[in-house]
Amino acid sequence: SQQGEEDPQALSIQEGENATMNCSYKTSINNLQWYRQNSGRGLVHLILIRSNEREKHSGRLRVTLDTSKKSSSLLITASRAADTASYFCATDAAPGFQKLVFGTGTRLLVSP
Amino acid sequence: DAGVTQSPTHLIKTRGQQVTLRCSPKSGHDTVSWYQQALGQGPQFIFQYYEEEERQRGNFPDRFSGHQFPNYSSELNVNALLLGDSALYLCASSFSTGQETQYFGPGTRLLVL
Repeated sequence: SQQGEEDPQALSIQEGENATMNCSYKTSINNLQWYRQNSGRGLVHLILIRSNEREKHSGRLRVTLDTSKKSSSLLITASRAADTASYFCATDAAPGFQKLVFGTGTRLLVSP
Repeated sequence: DAGVTQSPTHLIKTRGQQVTLRCSPKSGHDTVSWYQQALGQGPQFIFQYYEEEERQRGNFPDRFSGHQFPNYSSELNVNALLLGDSALYLCASSFSTGQETQYFGPGTRLLVL
């Protein structure tokens, strides 16, 4: 079963615009990770945020975490056509065992 | 530094057959996890191997089994294939302690006819 859901399910924007995706989860977590998947292939790790962190940056990516609301958001700034992909959040509830529970994903389309 | 590799990339089987998928972890990683991703869904955890033993298992039947070798590579075996086993099978590797980031391979796409 899925841990939670990403919102929106699909997002279509123009190059240069910002894209925001949200993730909700159900149980307490140790950390939350965001992954990107191109065309149904392997997952690329983007960023990990721990439960005691509230915000994290990596290049054009900004991730926030609100454990009281059991939610996270991923912001991609100045989007590019190459950002077109599906984005998944994954939670790791048990420290040390690394069993990832994924959401349903957001399909992002960035048009030139 | 080679990343996670998986073989084969694609596979077509018929119902009732058996299949073996293979995974080589990223250099230095000792833990391998397997995930099943149905079309349009997020990956679902099958099981995890560490020190050649199954350490955790998701909600999958016993038809799904695995193995980890002394060099940390791993196999996923599925017996008595069903149409519903058609999916992308992803392998991920990580360090057993400290690092929680899992690095994924490109996946094996299995089609059961």
